[in-house]
Amino acid sequence: SQKIEQNSEALNIQEGKTATLTCNYTNYSPAYLQWYRQDPGRGPVFLLLIRENEKEKRKERLKVTFDTTLKQSLFHITASQPADSATYLCALDDDYKLSFGAGTTVTVRA
Amino acid sequence: NAGVTQTPKFRVLKTGQSMTLLCAQDMNHEYMYWYRQDPGMGLRLIHYSVGEGTTAKGEVPDGYNVSRLKKQNFLLGLESAAPSQTSVYFCASSKTGEGGEQYFGPGTRLTVT
Repeated sequence: SQKIEQNSEALNIQEGKTATLTCNYTNYSPAYLQWYRQDPGRGPVFLLLIRENEKEKRKERLKVTFDTTLKQSLFHITASQPADSATYLCALDDDYKLSFGAGTTVTVRA
Repeated sequence: NAGVTQTPKFRVLKTGQSMTLLCAQDMNHEYMYWYRQDPGMGLRLIHYSVGEGTTAKGEVPDGYNVSRLKKQNFLLGLESAAPSQTSVYFCASSKTGEGGEQYFGPGTRLTVT
């Protein structure tokens, strides 16, 4: 069966450190993968998209990698700030729709 | 631009009652989606639409119906609410289906007692 797994536990990190989130998938062959941020009580907000032929994508302090052999994407937040505290969702292309992981909650301590 | 709006924000229903959730977008997007989000399970697609007048089933369509009579609106109906439908419902829209980023509404928190 198809499965998308993100870090099972919440991530607590010190301000200024790098947070690394994982997204592993099975029985998908996504042409692209997206990452979203969700704050409590709000809808998700799009952050980044990476295509299968791209190894890495950056946007400001965010970096995403995509390894189709390992069936894994890594999402990095560098120089983290308390304002980065949120839940981060990965989403896979699934025949012109998106399938979402359950998300990883990140808390950045000042 | 209001983006994606959802009505209502909160609702409490008794088992067996019906209701309609309204989603509206002002970005002229072709694609619209209804998801439900439950703790620990992530977003699950209920129904979606690839254009005005079209609808299709997602991962968890049972107990729900949808209509897309106008391009800017996507309605989600619950014919006979059940406690298992207690959830937060999100509507989203995108310009394209392939690779298109999705824009989400603020959500509707529904409780069925």
